[in-house]
Parts: sequence; C-alpha cells; structure tokens
Amino acid sequence: KQEVTQIPAALSVPEGENLVLNCSFTDSAIYNLQWFRQDPGKGLTSLLLIQSSQREQTSGRLNASLDKSSGRSTLYIAASQPGDSATYLCAVYSGYSTLTFGKGTMLLVSP
Amino acid sequence: EPEVTQTPSHQVTQMGQEVILRCVPISNHLYFYWYRQILGQKVEFLVSFYNNEISEKSEIFDDQFSVERPDGSNFTLKIRSTKLEDSAMYFCATRGGGNTGELFFGEGSRLTVL
Repeated sequence: KQEVTQIPAALSVPEGENLVLNCSFTDSAIYNLQWFRQDPGKGLTSLLLIQSSQREQTSGRLNASLDKSSGRSTLYIAASQPGDSATYLCAVYSGYSTLTFGKGTMLLVSP
Repeated sequence: EPEVTQTPSHQVTQMGQEVILRCVPISNHLYFYWYRQILGQKVEFLVSFYNNEISEKSEIFDDQFSVERPDGSNFTLKIRSTKLEDSAMYFCATRGGGNTGELFFGEGSRLTVL
C-alpha cells in the first residue's frame, strides 16, 4: 500500500526566503505526482503535475522535482511571499488516476 | 477555465439522516471521483466511477455510500444514514481522456453531522 510522507509538517519563514518542501513515497511504481495548495477550509488548487517520464516542472516561482527511483519529490518556492502561506499537499498517482495524498506541509510566510 | 462545481458548499445534518452531495464535472470529462478529508487528516480516496459504474472503491466506501450519475451531468455521492465520523470535507474530482491522467478538483462540500 502506497504511503506518502511530507516533511516538515510545518514551516515558518520570513518573507523573501527560498524554501524546499519534501515529499517521499514508499512505492516507486507511480504514474504521476502532483503538488496542491490548500488554504484553510478551502479546496485543492493544483500547482504542478509531474508525469512519470519527467524529472521536474516549473511554474513561476515554483519548481517541483521527481526522483522515482528514490521515491522522492521536492517543491521549491523561490522568494516566498505572505500570500504563499497555505498547506502544500503532495499526491502520487498509484493507479492511473487514483491519488494517495500526504498530510501536507503547513507554510507560514511572515512579512 | 472549466471548473468542477460542487453543491452544497456546507451542509449540517443530524445523525442518521441521508445526505446527497452533488458535483457538476467539466463537460467533456468521463471519469469521476470522490475524496474526503476529515479535519486535520489526509485527503483520502473514496471511489472512482466510469461508464456508469464504480471502477474502484476504498475500504471507507461501505454500504452506507453510493454514487450515481442520474441525469448525465450531475455526479452524486449519497450517504444513507450519516454518522458523526462522516463529518468531513468531500471533494469531487474529474478527469478527461488525455494521457496525463490529471485530476481536477472541486472546491469541496463540508459536511457536519451533529
């Protein structure tokens, strides 16, 4: 059974810092990996989807990498802003489109 | 940009009552899913649905739950007799036929069982 772990569980940084969120998964036989953002009490906003044949994806200040062999992904956020404060969820596609989620990293960026 | 729409956004119900949560998928999507998130916990897979039948379900999706696509547009999740532990955010997700397999999520329906 696939297990997804995210470290750290919570992170507090001052505005402007670059930061890295980590995600690990136990079964490397995944299709894709997706990073989401979730604001308190709200839905899931897709940030980046990395297909199994890719090693990274970039969108603006976000860069996500995938190393299937080691069962790891990282989400890099450059020049963090207070508006980046949210919970970031990593999810892996174990079946073709059935997702297994991590518990998330709660990020607080202070002005 | 096309969106997955869920109603209601929040429902409060008494234990033992039936609840129906509704989802309007992106128009050309054919694969539908329900996930749930109990407060403070992980988002968990409940069920996937394709071609008017369940294609996969988790151990959470017991006989109290059912899904259907009654009119070709809405996709519904029914909880027959709600329990306190059914209180959660329920997310609908849909997928098109493209080869990325990416799921698109709705904003969620928050269910509170008293």
